[in-house]
Amino acid sequence: GAGVSQSPSNKVTEKGKDVELRCDPISGHTALYWYRQSLGQGLEFLIYFQGNSAPDKSGLPSDRFSAERTGGSVSTLTIQRTQQEDSAVYLCASSLVGTGYNYGYTFGSGTRLTVV
Amino acid sequence: DAKTTQPNSMESNEEEPVHLPCNHSTISGTDYIHWYRQLPSQGPEYVIHGLTSNVNNRMASLAIAEDRKSSTLILHRATLRDAAVYYCILRDRQRGGTSYGKLTFGQGTILTVHP
Repeated sequence: GAGVSQSPSNKVTEKGKDVELRCDPISGHTALYWYRQSLGQGLEFLIYFQGNSAPDKSGLPSDRFSAERTGGSVSTLTIQRTQQEDSAVYLCASSLVGTGYNYGYTFGSGTRLTVV
Repeated sequence: DAKTTQPNSMESNEEEPVHLPCNHSTISGTDYIHWYRQLPSQGPEYVIHGLTSNVNNRMASLAIAEDRKSSTLILHRATLRDAAVYYCILRDRQRGGTSYGKLTFGQGTILTVHP
């Protein structure tokens, strides 16, 4: 597609339930990133995939959070046993990768997660 | 991580130029300077980036100081649609650098454009 696609756009879930958020990056973009943004806050890095390299998981806030990227394309962010503090907009971005990482990110529109 | 410092907010009038400053006094020789903006209720949008030389594209211009310790994003004629949060970010091009690969967003500058 022309841009980064995320689904669902909105998700309301009950505390304690698991949720899966999907990201479909731009075709050919080998790097994929997940961020989250709580209301009125800045963007918080979660995880980064680059090709076949081991993902950089340094931003995942707890072991309830996990992500995978299948076939170097679509990625799924899973949050287990959701808590109210997980409520945020979850943003996915992708980019080309080359010498010096001299490329910009393209972000999706995000998934707004509300835990009630 | 090399850090950036931006004013919390700035205001401009429509049709006037806007100069958004960013200080990055601890920048390393391998850091690129990236600018993104986030319009209300949207994901961030890439604006421009540079290393040493000034850069121009259809959205904006980036002026980089000779010592690279500061830069300025220039919107030549502000429109109401330019009202957004503008982020100045350093991105290390060198493998092993702490900001290699990923962008670390700060609080940015909230730009208000008055009609």
